[in-house]
Amino acid sequence: ETGVTQTPRHLVMGMTNKKSLKCEQHLGHNAMYWYKQSAKKPLELMFVYSLEERVENNSVPSRFSPECPNSSHLFLHLHTLQPEDSALYLCASSQENRLLEQFFGPGTRLTVL
Amino acid sequence: AQSVAQPEDQVNVAEGNPLTVKCTYSVSGNPYLFWYVQYPNRGLQFLLKYITGDNLVKGSYGFEAEFNKSQTSFHLKKPSALVSDSALYFCAVRGNDYKLSFGAGTTVTVRA
Repeated sequence: ETGVTQTPRHLVMGMTNKKSLKCEQHLGHNAMYWYKQSAKKPLELMFVYSLEERVENNSVPSRFSPECPNSSHLFLHLHTLQPEDSALYLCASSQENRLLEQFFGPGTRLTVL
Repeated sequence: AQSVAQPEDQVNVAEGNPLTVKCTYSVSGNPYLFWYVQYPNRGLQFLLKYITGDNLVKGSYGFEAEFNKSQTSFHLKKPSALVSDSALYFCAVRGNDYKLSFGAGTTVTVRA
C-alpha cells in the first residue's frame, strides 16, 4: 500500500474553503486517476491523466480542479464544495500497456460542513 | 458502455466454509476483469485479474476467480474462508481503453 500515498488522510472543510488533496505514486507508472467513493455506490471515476495529460474529465463540477505536474504527483484542488461532496477520494496509478491493474492509495476522507 | 453488477450487497459465511462473491459484466470487445478488496479505512487492494488464457485465475490470499464468457460472469471464490477475509469486495471491468468500471461492492462477513 505504500506504493501510492495520499495526504491528508482526513479533511474537514467549510463550503467556502479552498483545500488541496495530494497523491504521490512511487511505482514508476505513467497514468494516474482520481475516484470518488460514496457509501453504497460504485466508485466514480473523476479524472484520468496519462503521461501527464488529462484524458478524461467525467462531467465533474468545476469546483474540483485536478493538476498533474509530473508523472509521480497528482493533486485535486477543492473550492466552494457542497455537503454532498463529502466522500472518500481515492487516487490510483497504473502502467498502461503493461500491467493494466490500478494500484490505489488509502484515500482522503473528506467532510464538507 | 461497460458495466458490472454485483447482485449481492452482503455475503455471510462461517469460517472454514467456501466463499463465493458473484459478478457479472457487460463490455464491448474482450473483457479485462479484476477483483479488489477494501478493508476499513484503507484503499482498494488488487486481488487478481483475468486478461486472457486459462479461465481459472488464482490470486492473493488464496482467492481465485472463474471467467465464464457465455454467462459473462467472473465470480470470486475461496475454498475455506477466514475471519480476516471479512471486507468489502469490488469487481471491475475494462475494455480496450483505460477506464475501469466498478460494481457497487459486496460486503463479506465471515463469522468464527
